Amino acid sequence: DVKVTQSSRYLVKRTGEKVFLECVQDMDHENMFWYRQDPGLGLRLIYFSYDVKMKEKGDIPEGYSVSREKKERFSLILESASTNQTSMYLCASRIQGSYEQYFGPGTRLTVT
Amino acid sequence: QKEVEQNSGPLSVPEGAIASLNCTYSDRVSQSFFWYRQYSGKSPELIMSIYSNGDKEDGRFTAQLNKASQYVSLLIRDSQPSDSATYLCAVNMDNNDMRFGAGTRLTVKP
Repeated sequence: DVKVTQSSRYLVKRTGEKVFLECVQDMDHENMFWYRQDPGLGLRLIYFSYDVKMKEKGDIPEGYSVSREKKERFSLILESASTNQTSMYLCASRIQGSYEQYFGPGTRLTVT
Repeated sequence: QKEVEQNSGPLSVPEGAIASLNCTYSDRVSQSFFWYRQYSGKSPELIMSIYSNGDKEDGRFTAQLNKASQYVSLLIRDSQPSDSATYLCAVNMDNNDMRFGAGTRLTVKP
């Protein structure tokens, strides 16, 4: 079974803090994704990575950056957290050439 | 126009009934379609994928695809209270981006 884990289920941070969200997958998947999910808006893609050291902007990259130094780990960084970044953050991975994505449990981030 | 549209619901059906969930998409050349189930407070879980026109059955679930009309649906037969969740439609676009609908919330009443 594919296993995607995220570092925290719940996180509370203050405005202006730098926030790190970690995602690890154990199935040697090349592709990894970061989404945020908000009521009524569905899943929106923030960044994705096709392989180590590679990154591509998604639909809403502003205020975020990512890092992929190892194949199994994809980190999302909020450079200076703001209240409008309060959301559920979901990491996903998939094998190269497949369209089926597998999601981690999510991190519910609250920025106060 | 949103790329993937779903009725947000809530859709309420009695236990044992057939639940029908619909999704339309805008990209005519999309080839891959998926249904995810998401329980409250949990992450999406892939339950069905469909790539060809017609029906695909997996247990109580049937996915239906009509590329000419640009819609994909999910039927759940003999609905159970445990099927109560939000169902997300996902479409792989021509540029290989995956686009998700906002989801339809289904409630199955005992």
